[in-house]
Amino acid sequence: DAKTTQPNSMESNEEEPVHLPCNHSTISGTDYIHWYRQLPSQGPEYVIHGLTSNVNNRMASLAIAEDRKSSTLILHRATLRDAAVYYCILRGHNAGNMLTFGGGTRLMVKP
Amino acid sequence: GAVVSQHPSRVICKSGTSVKIECRSLDFQATTMFWYRQFPKKSLMLMATSNEGSKATYEQGVEKDKFLINHASLTLSTLTVTSAHPEDSSFYICSATTGTDNIQYFGAGTRLSVL
Repeated sequence: DAKTTQPNSMESNEEEPVHLPCNHSTISGTDYIHWYRQLPSQGPEYVIHGLTSNVNNRMASLAIAEDRKSSTLILHRATLRDAAVYYCILRGHNAGNMLTFGGGTRLMVKP
Repeated sequence: GAVVSQHPSRVICKSGTSVKIECRSLDFQATTMFWYRQFPKKSLMLMATSNEGSKATYEQGVEKDKFLINHASLTLSTLTVTSAHPEDSSFYICSATTGTDNIQYFGAGTRLSVL
């Protein structure tokens, strides 16, 4: 599986935008970029995913670099409830729905 | 959105006993279910993939006789930790997919403590 690299942790202030980076320089042309987050003592939850174009949903935006070697998850206004570990995962076209979790980024939100 | 229910949320058991964890898709039929374990401050590690009506596919290093997975219906998968020992203490998480949207929907997890 192609690997992703994320910072171990990031801090943000409440009500400010947060940009969570992810590098995936070995991504293949058919790999989808998925983001999940895991709140403390909970199972992960789906945030967003994309292939080539930027994506928006009610939770976040996903900005994908033109060469697809990196992407950024954008939370437009961080709240205390957004404090979680955010996982950037590449899902191969032939992997079915299998996901391989890396270390993720622990986001801390300060009031 | 699709909802996955996992039960129990917490279990404490004595060494040598077996523990069963249930994972149910409440409002959709799950073509595939996944079982993960997670140690404190670590990431999720996939244990096995199960499809309804067929044998689970276990990841390398996961003992199939230790971690019994049954996926008898499209809405229920169970993980039984047999003859549990303290080193089996962990956070076990299931997920399910609908097969239509390429998203995994996760249960809330089960914290197993083996004394």
